[in-house]
Amino acid sequence: NAGVTQTPKFQVLKTGQSMTLQCAQDMNHEYMSWYRQDPGMGLRLIHYSVGAGITDQGEVPNGYNVSRSTTEDFPLRLLSAAPSQTSVYFCASRRGTADSPLHFGNGTRLTVT
Amino acid sequence: AQKVTQAQTEISVVEKEDVTLDCVYETRDTTYYLFWYKQPPSGELVFLIRRNSFDEQNEISGRYSWNFQKSTSSFNFTITASQVVDSAVYFCALSERGDSGYALNFGKGTSLLVTP
Repeated sequence: NAGVTQTPKFQVLKTGQSMTLQCAQDMNHEYMSWYRQDPGMGLRLIHYSVGAGITDQGEVPNGYNVSRSTTEDFPLRLLSAAPSQTSVYFCASRRGTADSPLHFGNGTRLTVT
Repeated sequence: AQKVTQAQTEISVVEKEDVTLDCVYETRDTTYYLFWYKQPPSGELVFLIRRNSFDEQNEISGRYSWNFQKSTSSFNFTITASQVVDSAVYFCALSERGDSGYALNFGKGTSLLVTP
């Protein structure tokens, strides 16, 4: 099984550019989420989805959009990149039950200059 | 407010020493779940263990053990006879009903360095 697949692995953007981070899972998980990891800050929730067609904001949603048109895919869009969005981004999925562990992708390292 | 506190930012031990990573959480829910994840230098996040709020039984898995105490809101992780391969950042996380539907709230992590 591929699990959770994130693309790209690395990306450099200029301030103001837009881009989409891709995330796909093949485990038929209902729940998907995006986190960002910054030094000394742990992992902070950006957006999450409890099923196709349903998305909601997490702790740090500003500057990001998401959509969930299928169970498998949960792309994260940066509308106008800012240097503050330089970070490592992780996509994760789990079954719909609250006690299920999150399965993480390998991360995308984004640098905004 | 920080829901999960990992007070130890960095720990350095010599191989074969025992080491305990502390985790203190805060929640008003009676039903919640606690997790530990490992992030080795390669960067991936690896699930280690999950604990339910209604099960305080401690768990041992090889050199790893976890001590869950509701009275002190703690879920500490001990590595016995540490090895160089244990060097990683370890995250404790809490899942509660909260505002984000049982999303995982992570602590800031403890960086463990095991030297030969």
